[in-house]
Amino acid sequence: DVKVTQSSRYLVKRTGEKVFLECVQDMDHENMFWYRQDPGLGLRLIYFSYDVKMKEKGDIPEGYSVSREKKERFSLILESASTNQTSMYLCASSLISGHSLYGYTFGSGTRLTVV
Amino acid sequence: QKEVEQNSGPLSVPEGAIASLNCTYSDRGSQSFFWYRQYSGKSPELIMFIYSNGDKEDGRFTAQLNKASQYVSLLIRDSQPSDSATYLCALRMDSSYKLIFGSGTRLLVRP
Repeated sequence: DVKVTQSSRYLVKRTGEKVFLECVQDMDHENMFWYRQDPGLGLRLIYFSYDVKMKEKGDIPEGYSVSREKKERFSLILESASTNQTSMYLCASSLISGHSLYGYTFGSGTRLTVV
Repeated sequence: QKEVEQNSGPLSVPEGAIASLNCTYSDRGSQSFFWYRQYSGKSPELIMFIYSNGDKEDGRFTAQLNKASQYVSLLIRDSQPSDSATYLCALRMDSSYKLIFGSGTRLLVRP
């Protein structure tokens, strides 16, 4: 089974800190994604990457950046954490075959609290 | 209008009944459809995907797609208390790598 590993399950950071969320997948998937999930708002896409060093903004990229230096690793960076970035962060990866996307596999999530 | 609409629920059914979860979407360019199950405090897990009009069955789960009417549904037969979770509908549009998710329907199966 493909495995997507997020480095931290729970994280508490102070306002203004620079925060790194790490995600690693072990199945050679081309695509990786970062979402945040908030009650009543559902899953919202922050950034995604379809290849090494390639990235595209999702629906809510403000305040975030990403890095994909290796195929298996996709990092989400909060440049200066703010309380409105308190959320559950979910990393996902997927395989593309031809024009078919074979769904996402999600990591276990990181619940970030900014105080 | 949201791109993917789901009734938030909760949808409450007795154990052994059929649970019917529905999802409508607004963009006719949508190509692929996915159902995820998410237990409280956990991450979503893929249950089924469907690309073609009609029904697709996998065990107790059946996905139904009607592109003309722009809806996709998930039927869960012989519902069990362990099926109690939030079910997320997602779609992929043409030429896109990303999925667009609905807000989810909470299902409660009563023993």
